Amino acid sequence: AQSVAQPEDQVNVAEGNPLTVKCTYSVSGNPYLFWYVQYPNRGLQFLLKYITGDNLVKGSYGFEAEFNKSQTSFHLKKPSALVSDSALYFCAVRPDYFKTIFGAGTRLFVKA
Amino acid sequence: KAGVTQTPRYLIKTRGQQVTLSCSPISGHRSVSWYQQTPGQGLQFLFEYFSETQRNKGNFPGRFSGRQFSNSRSEMNVSTLELGDSALYLCASSSGQGRDTQYFGPGTRLTVL
Repeated sequence: AQSVAQPEDQVNVAEGNPLTVKCTYSVSGNPYLFWYVQYPNRGLQFLLKYITGDNLVKGSYGFEAEFNKSQTSFHLKKPSALVSDSALYFCAVRPDYFKTIFGAGTRLFVKA
Repeated sequence: KAGVTQTPRYLIKTRGQQVTLSCSPISGHRSVSWYQQTPGQGLQFLFEYFSETQRNKGNFPGRFSGRQFSNSRSEMNVSTLELGDSALYLCASSSGQGRDTQYFGPGTRLTVL
């Protein structure tokens, strides 16, 4: 079955430190991969996506993600975390035209 | 360019009632997808409409229905509300061509009492 896993319910990091939010997927073919962020009582905001090409994708607000085909992973990263980055992060996969599969979400806490 | 708008933002209903939620996609987008978000179940796909036709459907009971108008605006209807229908309902808009990016609205928070 096709699936997306975000193995950590919560990630804690100190402001100024690098952060990583993990995502692995299990789908056939060459899926399109996405990261979204959600702030309280808001919808999901698009951060970045991977289609093909360079394995390091740069997105909004200083975020980037690294695609690893052999490990079927698409981890979200940021070199220096901000308190304002505290939010809920979703990894998503589009294996085909008609379906988007979301992970369960990872809550990021950045402590000042 | 204006983003995705959803109305109303908050709604309180009682069991057995029905509710209609509205979503206006980004101008030029022809696809609208609906999702239910709850703390326990995460994001669950309800259905997707493209050019007024339901193109894909999730595993929800028939009480959940939707439609799309010629201007791409979409409505979602839930009949005979149950307590478990309390959730944040999100709509996402995209061009509908290929595996393009979906852009989400702010959601409608539905509370069923």
